[in-house]
Amino acid sequence: RKEVEQDPGPFNVPEGATVAFNCTYSNSASQSFFWYRQDCRKEPKLLMSVYSSGNEDGRFTAQLNRASQYISLLIRDSKLSDSATYLCVVMTPSSSYKLIFGSGTRLLVRP
Amino acid sequence: EPEVTQTPSHQVTQMGQEVILRCVPISNHLYFYWYRQILGQKVEFLVSFYNNEISEKSEIFDDQFSVERPDGSNFTLKIRSTKLEDSAMYFCASRGGSYVNEQFFGPGTRLTVL
Repeated sequence: RKEVEQDPGPFNVPEGATVAFNCTYSNSASQSFFWYRQDCRKEPKLLMSVYSSGNEDGRFTAQLNRASQYISLLIRDSKLSDSATYLCVVMTPSSSYKLIFGSGTRLLVRP
Repeated sequence: EPEVTQTPSHQVTQMGQEVILRCVPISNHLYFYWYRQILGQKVEFLVSFYNNEISEKSEIFDDQFSVERPDGSNFTLKIRSTKLEDSAMYFCASRGGSYVNEQFFGPGTRLTVL
């Protein structure tokens, strides 16, 4: 089983749509969870951390279900500028706090 | 806003040559990382560095790879004898401290091995 698994997409949605991405992780001892955004041939940029109680940042809402080892990201009112690859990222229980990345879900927002 | 910087942005080298990729982490950060991303694949952890020593390395990080923090600001990744399969984007990242989880990435160095 992959350490972090995501639907690769692409998700092709019109502007203004709501879109949801899902992610599962295999290591139940994982400590911290993040969504990063990556534009083509650019570095991953932190979008938001994911907390057990769920958290929201503007149009973005992240949820964590530790029992199911499941993470989600909801984007409301999609903008053209949201087109990117969204990376589900997990921090493993190691001394180095290294990050394990999913393969990413590609989002295309069309006019 | 503080940011991680990397040089060069693109490096082209011949197979068997040595390359050094350079990074300047965010100034008050304590943990430093190298990741790589082969075109079309996911980002993979290579090595982490804390308190002037390697704290963890992946299977990819074999004897051909080394890291160094030669002064108070730079963090380097050296590949001694490059192979074709080393062609990838190499990202440096840094993290503030034990109670700060977020890692911030530099813009990457695209390494092309011919």
